[in-house]
Amino acid sequence: GAGVSQSPSNKVTEKGKDVELRCDPISGHTALYWYRQSLGQGLEFLIYFQGNSAPDKSGLPSDRFSAERTGGSVSTLTIQRTQQEDSAVYLCASSFWGDSTEAFFGQGTRLTVV
Amino acid sequence: QQQVKQSPQSLIVQKGGISIINCAYENTAFDYFPWYQQFPGKGPALLIAIRPDVSEKKEGRFTISFNKSAKQFSLHIMDSQPGDSATYFCAASKGNYQLIWGAGTKLIIKP
Repeated sequence: GAGVSQSPSNKVTEKGKDVELRCDPISGHTALYWYRQSLGQGLEFLIYFQGNSAPDKSGLPSDRFSAERTGGSVSTLTIQRTQQEDSAVYLCASSFWGDSTEAFFGQGTRLTVV
Repeated sequence: QQQVKQSPQSLIVQKGGISIINCAYENTAFDYFPWYQQFPGKGPALLIAIRPDVSEKKEGRFTISFNKSAKQFSLHIMDSQPGDSATYFCAASKGNYQLIWGAGTKLIIKP
């Protein structure tokens, strides 16, 4: 596709349920990032994938969060046993060569935990 | 030491005026300072960026001013237009990919 695609664009879930957020990066981009954006806040780094290297998971806030990237392309961010504080916009970005300063962002998934 | 502090939180400027957003950092190892622009419902998009070997970079109506000794950098939008109304984020990175983000400035340009 022409840009980074994320789905769903909105997700409302009950506290305690698991959710999966999907990211389709730009074709050919080897690096993929997940960020979380809370209301009125900047972007919080969650996880980074680069090619076949082990992902940098240093930003994941708890073990309820996990992410995978299959075949070096599509990525899924999973949040288990969601809590109200998980409510935020989850943004995915992709780039060439791991240079996040030239990353292209998707439109985000707005997650609301009720 | 990893923080990037951005101000103001919100800004209202008359059409045709100059919008100024400031950021300050602590980590002297940061070597790349981009500004991103975000419209509602969209992801951020790179607007302009600077490295610490220059004090100013201009692209059209957008200018970054960089003060290495003060560890500050700012975004100036000249002749501000209603279409510039958006949230602006400064950021800083060291080495390759981990951007540290400011909290954002919501800019409103009044017609």
